[in-house]
Amino acid sequence: RKEVEQDPGPFNVPEGATVAFNCTYSNSASQSFFWYRQDCRKEPKLLMSVYSSGNEDGRFTAQLNRASQYISLLIRDSKLSDSATYLCVVPNQAGTALIFGKGTTLSVSS
Amino acid sequence: GAGVSQSPSNKVTEKGKDVELRCDPISGHTALYWYRQSLGQGLEFLIYFQGNSAPDKSGLPSDRFSAERTGGSVSTLTIQRTQQEDSAVYLCASSFDRAYEQYFGPGTRLTVT
Repeated sequence: RKEVEQDPGPFNVPEGATVAFNCTYSNSASQSFFWYRQDCRKEPKLLMSVYSSGNEDGRFTAQLNRASQYISLLIRDSKLSDSATYLCVVPNQAGTALIFGKGTTLSVSS
Repeated sequence: GAGVSQSPSNKVTEKGKDVELRCDPISGHTALYWYRQSLGQGLEFLIYFQGNSAPDKSGLPSDRFSAERTGGSVSTLTIQRTQQEDSAVYLCASSFDRAYEQYFGPGTRLTVT
């Protein structure tokens, strides 16, 4: 299993839709997980941190399944401004760095 | 507060020239990272500094790449004898400690002609 693996998409959804992305990881000892958002030609920006079973912030919910080693990101009531690439991030085996997935592209249309 | 800053924002250089890219991390952050992102690709880890410890250079693609971090703050990434395949956006990030949330600078877009 790759360290961090994501479905590249693209996910094309209409405004108002609910969309979910999954990410699998290989380091079973990981304790912290992150979702970043990257807009076209911009730097990645932290969207959400996950230290326990999950986290919720407004329309965004991240859930962690340690047994299956995957993290999900759920976006409710999608907005046009949610269009971006979403990066799943997990610490490496040594805990010395964060490993970034290649990202899942979301396109929200009106 | 001030975020991570990088300079220059864009750099065009001729093949074979050396370039220096600068990163100024968030004040108080002990960890500093350099990444490279080619067009349409994911982030490629280059090097990691943590406090006064020896840097983790495991991601540097060749010995033409080197980086320094002076005084535990500002970092410089140097690419010697640039090649066209070095063209990419070079991103710097800092964090409070290793494996914590990282905050990115806007990047330096390097084009080697």
